[in-house]
Amino acid sequence: DAGVTQSPTHLIKTRGQQVTLRCSPKSGHDTVSWYQQALGQGPQFIFQYYEEEERQRGNFPDRFSGHQFPNYSSELNVNALLLGDSALYLCASSLGRELGELFFGEGSRLTVL
Amino acid sequence: QKEVEQDPGPLSVPEGAIVSLNCTYSNSAFQYFMWYRQYSRKGPELLMYTYSSGNKEDGRFTAQVDKSSKYISLFIRDSQPSDSATYLCAMVQRSSNTGKLIFGQGTTLQVKP
Repeated sequence: DAGVTQSPTHLIKTRGQQVTLRCSPKSGHDTVSWYQQALGQGPQFIFQYYEEEERQRGNFPDRFSGHQFPNYSSELNVNALLLGDSALYLCASSLGRELGELFFGEGSRLTVL
Repeated sequence: QKEVEQDPGPLSVPEGAIVSLNCTYSNSAFQYFMWYRQYSRKGPELLMYTYSSGNKEDGRFTAQVDKSSKYISLFIRDSQPSDSATYLCAMVQRSSNTGKLIFGQGTTLQVKP
């Protein structure tokens, strides 16, 4: 049973560029949440997707956007990259929107130069 | 002031010691409390979650919640070198916000053989 898979695992971009990160949820899960984890910090909630709609959003600018596909996979897009966007981006999946175990992927490590 | 405070450590203990990890929080609306373990270069994995004040045991791990003091703890008995990781506390206000976890900074634990 595949867990949460994310791609790419590592990537390097320059300021001003755009990036797309991808996530496939654990089999049977329909809800995807994205988190940003800066070095030495805990993860920060970016947004949650359920039924192909953004349901909740954290304190992140509009440069951060996402999408969920009918197969429940999800993308995170970040435009106009800043140096401060360098972080580990984590995808977490769960079943439904009620409290349940969040399964995290191993993350995509983004470096902005 | 951060909503959730957690001492980043590092905390170094000998094998077999009892480890105590703690978080304090300021928002009395938090109702669900979780502990995640994160190994280097991996995503967080859920260890335990609790709803009410009191203790919850799972093997060598005990989670404790004191809502009146806004204080949560994780105890690890008979610590092993394999327990060396970063431990993150997380909390959420209500079940429909399950994707929007608020994390502490994480405490790095090293268990020496």
